[in-house]
Amino acid sequence: SQQGEEDPQALSIQEGENATMNCSYKTSINNLQWYRQNSGRGLVHLILIRSNEREKHSGRLRVTLDTSKKSSSLLITASRAADTASYFCATGNDYKLSFGAGTTVTVRA
Amino acid sequence: SQTIHQWPATLVQPVGSPLSLECTVEGTSNPNLYWYRQAAGRGLQLLFYSVGIGQISSEVPQNLSASRPQDRQFILSSKKLLLSDSGFYLCAWSGGGLEAFFGQGTRLTVV
Repeated sequence: SQQGEEDPQALSIQEGENATMNCSYKTSINNLQWYRQNSGRGLVHLILIRSNEREKHSGRLRVTLDTSKKSSSLLITASRAADTASYFCATGNDYKLSFGAGTTVTVRA
Repeated sequence: SQTIHQWPATLVQPVGSPLSLECTVEGTSNPNLYWYRQAAGRGLQLLFYSVGIGQISSEVPQNLSASRPQDRQFILSSKKLLLSDSGFYLCAWSGGGLEAFFGQGTRLTVV
């Protein structure tokens, strides 16, 4: 079953703007991860945040986690055309990763 | 460094024909292995995962099966394909239940 749900389903922004997407999940987690998928390709891991962390940064990416609300957000700052992709959150327990349906981000040049 | 190979990249098969998709991992030992399916414009559905040779866990009942004959080899199979088996199949591996590394996927079209 799919644990996480991303919001919005699609996002269109101008190059240079920030993109924010959210992920909500249902059960307790050990960690939450964000992945990126270019059209027709495999997923690429972006960032992992553990359940005892509240915020994490990696380059132009900022991830927050609120375990009390069972939600996470991914912020991409100063977006570029190359950021156009689908972004997925994934929650992990034991050996399994469950993915949401993703947010499709289009960055207009 | 670790790499994951998945093939073929695309496949067109008639209804009722068998299927065999192969995935191999290099540069690591005893990985957790996964098969996911992605419908067009949708998220990933976990089909099977394996934590060791011969150990397969199935997430959803379906027309597919998986096998792990070697530590770093994961095979997705079907005896008779259905139209509904069409989709984008992704193999992945992870170590310790953390981040997953994906293959490039196989686009399967059943006609």
